[in-house]
Amino acid sequence: GRLVDSGGGLVRPGGSLTLSCAASGFTFRSFEMNWVRQAPGKGLEWVSYISSDGNTKYYADSVKGRFTISRDNAKSSLDLQMNGLRAEDTAIYYCVRVNGYFDYWGRGALVTVSS
Amino acid sequence: VMTQSPATLSVSPGERVTLSCRASQTVGINVAWYQQKPGQAPRLLMHGASTRATGTPARFSGSGSGTEFTLTISSLQSEDVAVYYCHQYNNWPPVTFGGGTKVEI
Repeated sequence: GRLVDSGGGLVRPGGSLTLSCAASGFTFRSFEMNWVRQAPGKGLEWVSYISSDGNTKYYADSVKGRFTISRDNAKSSLDLQMNGLRAEDTAIYYCVRVNGYFDYWGRGALVTVSS
Repeated sequence: VMTQSPATLSVSPGERVTLSCRASQTVGINVAWYQQKPGQAPRLLMHGASTRATGTPARFSGSGSGTEFTLTISSLQSEDVAVYYCHQYNNWPPVTFGGGTKVEI
C-alpha cells in the first residue's frame, strides 16, 4: 500500500488549508484512516479519525470545531480541511491507514502557520 | 497515557538495547511500536506487542501485556538510530502515543 500526502504550505494565522491523501495498492474503502501530526522537534499527535464508510469521525480536542476529515472511496482519497489555523498547528501532517495499529504512513505534508 | 523511558539512550554498536513503555490502564497486547529515522515518516515496527511487522529485522523483539511493554534490540546497528514510539490501540479515541525514546550512538 502507498499513501501520498499533499496540500501543505505556508498560511497566515486564521487562514485555511486542505490536505489531501491519495491511496493506492490496497482496497481503500475497506480501511479506517487517520491524520497524525508532528510539530517541529516534537512527538506524534493524533488529529482525526474516519471510519471506512465515512460515517464516523473523531477529532482531537485541539482541533475540534476547526478541522474536518472526509474521504472519497470512489477516488481512494482522504482530505483534512483545516480552518482557523493557529501557530500551534504548524506541523508535518501524516495520512495513516488503520489496521487496529497504524500500518501505512504517508511521507507527510508540512503545514506552516505564520504571519 | 503511554509513558516511555528513557527519553534518550546512548549506546554502542552491538549492544543490547531495551526500551520501556507503560500504559496508564490495561491495554491487553494492543500495543504497537514505530521507528522514525531522521527526516522520515514513522514506520510500523511491531504490533500485538510482540509481532514483527513485515520487513522488521529479527534483532527487534517486543514483549509485555497489560500495562508494561518492552522493545528490545538484541544488537544495535548504526541504521537503528531513530526515535521509537509506542502506541496503544486498545482504547481510543483519543489515540495515545508515548513521548518517544531517542536511540543514539
